[in-house]
Amino acid sequence: QSALTQPRSVSGSPGQSVTISCTGTSSDVGAYDYVSWYQQHPGKAPKFMIYDVSKRPSGVPDRFSGSKSANTASLTISGLQAEDEADYYCCSYAGSYIVVFGGGTKLTVL
Amino acid sequence: EVQLVESGGGLLQPGGSLRLSCATSGFTFSTYAMSWVRQAPGKGLEWVSATNYDGVGTYYADSVKGRFTISRDNSKNTLYLQMNSLRAEDTAVYYCAKGGQWLPTPFDYWGQGALVTVSS
Repeated sequence: QSALTQPRSVSGSPGQSVTISCTGTSSDVGAYDYVSWYQQHPGKAPKFMIYDVSKRPSGVPDRFSGSKSANTASLTISGLQAEDEADYYCCSYAGSYIVVFGGGTKLTVL
Repeated sequence: EVQLVESGGGLLQPGGSLRLSCATSGFTFSTYAMSWVRQAPGKGLEWVSATNYDGVGTYYADSVKGRFTISRDNSKNTLYLQMNSLRAEDTAVYYCAKGGQWLPTPFDYWGQGALVTVSS
């Protein structure tokens, strides 16, 4: 049950695109297409942003997209907006009803 | 509207016990997996425990195995977390989260969190 690896921080200017990586192993990210992403603003509960690697729940802007290659998943945010500044967490199913999160990435909009 | 409302948090000493509750509404509780996820002050999210739709299957992170017990009452649409032998490192905001029908993820709805502080 080791945490997935995310960069501690990323940044971008309004209108630009940023990508946050999430590296796991062949037992979690690489084994299942059950990667999800969550956005968390300070003092708030996490918000559901992406599921099953690349699917967007209703209400999430299409500026948010997800992908996966081997043991690494990625979240890309295009057309950065000030309100996108937050912490982002990846999450993967790891088999046997076990779940693992990434350490989180702080996104700064310059 | 889906709602998850945690209660039962508080301040207690190391070695103590506490039970968290998560009252839910707005969805068919008895058909979804549910989890507890915690966040220590200034730290990231950590999955703690999950239960399948009927409560027969219960699963735990290694960090809490043997000390915490997850349960649910489908007649009351409520999820519980019994925490025993609490340690300082269990200090965190504890969120309940709604999962899928067949798997514990994704977590599409979250509660507002309950703060548990373990300190002497």
